[in-house]
Amino acid sequence: SSELTQPPSVSVSPGQTARIPCSGDGLPKQYVYWYQHKPGRAPVSLIYKDSERPSGIPDRFSGSSAGTTATLTITGVQAEDEAVYYCQAAYSNGSPWLFGGGTKVTVL
Amino acid sequence: QVRLVQSGDEVKKPGASVKVSCEASGYSFIMNGIVWVRQAPGQGLQWIGWIGPYNGRTRYAEDFQGRATMTADTSTNTVHMELTSLTSEDTATYYCSRGGGDPPLGVDHWGQGTLVTVSS
Repeated sequence: SSELTQPPSVSVSPGQTARIPCSGDGLPKQYVYWYQHKPGRAPVSLIYKDSERPSGIPDRFSGSSAGTTATLTITGVQAEDEAVYYCQAAYSNGSPWLFGGGTKVTVL
Repeated sequence: QVRLVQSGDEVKKPGASVKVSCEASGYSFIMNGIVWVRQAPGQGLQWIGWIGPYNGRTRYAEDFQGRATMTADTSTNTVHMELTSLTSEDTATYYCSRGGGDPPLGVDHWGQGTLVTVSS
């Protein structure tokens, strides 16, 4: 499959845990990257290579991957985490890149 | 620190071309690829392609083959992305980003974005 599938939306109360799945047939052979995108701003890279977190990213953001599904977990959601989250993967030769459709996280 | 600074917003007519630039600083320019991604209004992120400044190697998404051209100027640490035969569907914010790995499989830093509006 050449698609990455995400749920369009997730709602969560402050302090609770949000889990965003990303599924794709190719994921067992691909690393997954996660990005946060807020309106009017550049995206922010949250997770690389399935589960690694760049410096400066809060540890409430974590990633995992098993089989054909990768998951971004936000533990202890804060109001500022309201954004659209995208998963992304690429084949080992660098082409093509795939983006999930994005998941809008709403903090209730 | 790593910085990617893009050129200013553009307004173009259908059929025209646009060239967006991305000046990199704060790291060794030739060591990382530059990836271009766009977001049309109300849509998600869409991969356009990438270039490896170290060797000029490029890869383009199928949707942009023959219409997008990426070049790197190692004397100014700048990557240019030209898109030709513009239509209203190319109206979008275009982002450059720094790739990790060879070839780049993800990105870690992003430019501020360049809004390209295609309108008659």
